[in-house]
Amino acid sequence: QSALTQPASVSGSPGQSITISCTGTSSDVGSYNLVSWYQQHPGKAPKLMIYEVSKRPSGVSNRFSGSKSGNTASLTISGLQAEDEADYYCCSYAGSSRVVFGGGTKLTVL
Amino acid sequence: EVQLVESGGGLVQPGGSLRLSCAASGFTFSSYEMNWVRQAPGKGLEWVSYISSSGSTIYYADSVKGRFTISRDNAKNSLYLQMNSLRAEDTAVYYCARVVVDTAMVTLDYWGQGTLVTVSS
Repeated sequence: QSALTQPASVSGSPGQSITISCTGTSSDVGSYNLVSWYQQHPGKAPKLMIYEVSKRPSGVSNRFSGSKSGNTASLTISGLQAEDEADYYCCSYAGSSRVVFGGGTKLTVL
Repeated sequence: EVQLVESGGGLVQPGGSLRLSCAASGFTFSSYEMNWVRQAPGKGLEWVSYISSSGSTIYYADSVKGRFTISRDNAKNSLYLQMNSLRAEDTAVYYCARVVVDTAMVTLDYWGQGTLVTVSS
């Protein structure tokens, strides 16, 4: 099972919006509305930011939103803040009781 | 407060074995499905294994199938990962993570701090 494809890095200035893409196949992202997004700061454990494509867990800022079109899921962060600088990983159910993560995207807040 | 604390990591030679533990507290452990996820140094996340709340349903990534065994002891609020025939490519920080109730196994709301496993001669 290949990893989902994410851009290696994205950047934006404070207050701007950025979008991170996550491209899979018709066997994973395209077949299930079971995509999650995780934020990971250096040396820390991942944190759940979005689940089931677009749902936000309690306590996560509404600046974070998720969507999906075909085989590509996206995470959008609006009103960028310095503390958003982190690595972001998408994750999808891949059928046959398997889970696949994306390779990760490093977000830099300029 | 929900807490997951992994232990058991360390340095092991190729072909060796190691048993990781994850101690859970602050929630009803027996009601939650659990996963192990790993992260090689400087690399991304990789799903390793899943276990249902009762332990009756178990899944593995192809990369560890036949070598790793996930288990749990609900009476002890503990999750385990027995790792045999270890390879250099198994070197990683191993996290235990809780699945959100009534969601899919990809929805992990609490993670431990991780335990480092290094496979090297």
